[in-house]
Amino acid sequence: DAGVTQSPTHLIKTRGQQVTLRCSPKSGHDTVSWYQQALGQGPQFIFQYYEEEERQRGNFPDRFSGHQFPNYSSELNVNALLLGDSALYLCASSTTGGGDTQYFGPGTRLTVL
Amino acid sequence: RKEVEQDPGPFNVPEGATVAFNCTYSNSASQSFFWYRQDCRKEPKLLMSVYSSGNEDGRFTAQLNRASQYISLLIRDSKLSDSATYLCVVNPSWASGSSNTGKLIFGQGTTLQVKP
Repeated sequence: DAGVTQSPTHLIKTRGQQVTLRCSPKSGHDTVSWYQQALGQGPQFIFQYYEEEERQRGNFPDRFSGHQFPNYSSELNVNALLLGDSALYLCASSTTGGGDTQYFGPGTRLTVL
Repeated sequence: RKEVEQDPGPFNVPEGATVAFNCTYSNSASQSFFWYRQDCRKEPKLLMSVYSSGNEDGRFTAQLNRASQYISLLIRDSKLSDSATYLCVVNPSWASGSSNTGKLIFGQGTTLQVKP
């Protein structure tokens, strides 16, 4: 049973560019949440997708957007990259109504130069 | 004030020691609490949920004090493999009365280094 997978593992971009990160949830899960983890900090909630819609959003600007596909996989898009966007981006999957245990993927480490 | 606050440490302890981590949260109506463990450059992994009555899993004991909005984690007989960052996590979503939307709020994490 595959766990949560994310791609790519690492990414280097320059300021102003756009990036797309991908996540496949754990088998049987239908809800995907995205988090940003800066160095030395705990993860910060970006948003959550369920039934292909953004269900809840954290305190992140509109440059951060996402999408969920019919197979429950998800993308995180960040436009107009800033140096401060450099972080580990974590995807977590869970089931609706199945308690709130979230299983995290290995993350994508984004470096913005 | 941060929603979830932890002492970042680091805590440096010898093998076999008992170590305790504390955490406070600001939303008094929060209903769901966890400890996650994160190894260096890896993803967080659920260590244990925290219940009002307190709960134990082997060498690990978690306690919740709702009146003080305080969560603790006790590790007994520390092993080298316990070296990691321990994240205190709160899910405030139940507080609104809505269904659980799964937004997790993490503390900064407490770093534990167990020495031989």
